[in-house]
Amino acid sequence: GESVGLHLPTLSVQEGDNSIINCAYSNSASDYFIWYKQESGKGPQFIIDIRSNMDKRQGQRVTVLLNKTVKHLSLQIAATQPGDSAVYFCAENLGKTDKLIFGTGTRLQVFP
Amino acid sequence: GAVVSQHPSWVICKSGTSVKIECRSLDFQATTMFWYRQFPKQSLMLMATSNEGSKATYEQGVEKDKFLINHASLTLSTLTVTSAHPEDSSFYICSGGGVGEEQFFGPGTRLTVL
Repeated sequence: GESVGLHLPTLSVQEGDNSIINCAYSNSASDYFIWYKQESGKGPQFIIDIRSNMDKRQGQRVTVLLNKTVKHLSLQIAATQPGDSAVYFCAENLGKTDKLIFGTGTRLQVFP
Repeated sequence: GAVVSQHPSWVICKSGTSVKIECRSLDFQATTMFWYRQFPKQSLMLMATSNEGSKATYEQGVEKDKFLINHASLTLSTLTVTSAHPEDSSFYICSGGGVGEEQFFGPGTRLTVL
């Protein structure tokens, strides 16, 4: 179901370090997963996606890992930059519809 | 990626009035669009699925008579918040895209009800 949180967990990393953001999804029938980045006052921005027939997918500086056994998704950002500071959401799609269910989100703070 | 626009980007209204928010897909056609609501420091909550040429499908707990959705064309969906109250103040976001594919999100509309 939908996720609601009173506050966002925060991950603080130093510029240049790698970041790992985790997400637990809810439905074992979900077959498509997406990571979004949301900056303050803006809509979500697509980062990377992965389908359930894969367990890893790489993009530019980002890698998504999918563990279907434990319903866990992670986003790895290499050489984190100040511009990466934002809130990151995972989203799952059941496949039979286009509906996306969003996770609670994680705020990434990058300090110099 | 495809572009989705929203208008207005922000709106302030008095309690009891109605507000219309537009969502347009600028370079693709969307038979289905989605409307989300996001409260501060929270995640996106799906409100409804907007279907071109047919009635919208609302999520559990979302009042269809309060949040009127019209999908007039393959590039335009509107959300009207009727008789708005302060608790309706939120960030409203729409998205559109292909079946089982990436959803493209609009920039959001900040609604403040006084």
